[in-house]
Amino acid sequence: DAEITQSPRHKITETGRQVTLACHQTWNHNNMFWYRQDLGHGLRLIHYSYGVQDTNKGEVSDGYSVSRSNTEDLPLTLESAASSQTSVYFCASSDTPNTGELFFGEGSRLTVL
Amino acid sequence: GENVEQHPSTLSVQEGDSAVIKCTYSDSASNYFPWYKQELGKRPQLIIDIRSNVGEKKDQRIAVTLNKTAKHFSLHITETQPEDSAVYFCAGADDKIIFGKGTRLHILP
Repeated sequence: DAEITQSPRHKITETGRQVTLACHQTWNHNNMFWYRQDLGHGLRLIHYSYGVQDTNKGEVSDGYSVSRSNTEDLPLTLESAASSQTSVYFCASSDTPNTGELFFGEGSRLTVL
Repeated sequence: GENVEQHPSTLSVQEGDSAVIKCTYSDSASNYFPWYKQELGKRPQLIIDIRSNVGEKKDQRIAVTLNKTAKHFSLHITETQPEDSAVYFCAGADDKIIFGKGTRLHILP
């Protein structure tokens, strides 16, 4: 069965360290997204990609970057982790850019100390 | 860009009663409005969606209505059951899907 997986599922890091969260999907979807979920803020879009070599900024992109070198993967990098980036991060993919179901990964809980 | 407001943030209803969650959006170009349900500790999952050329859509106990003129849409859950307890997110989509802040629904026994 097709799926979308995130790793690591839990991570604790220190302020200033670089962190990369991996996202891998086997749906063969062109469209991939990263959201962060915080109490009181819901799901906020960080970055998204509509295909290989395509990346776009979302609502809260400062301090984050993504790269899309193949269809299956969209890693999210925090260049210099800050305590404000403590959150649960969800990766998602869809077969249409903005009119189709988002398939979410299980989430990655990141704590920045 | 799109901005989606969702109300209420918390809702408690007696089991068997109906629940209504309301959302408004800002971008008149948005044409797709999905609703996601997230159970505790789980990932969000699509429960129903509506496109701009439709005013209402039903799927068993859940329904969504859309008023494009007023830029608002609502989720209706009838005959609520304990398994309906969850956080519900509405969303609007212009060139990307933007979510509201969520409604935590409690079903009281």
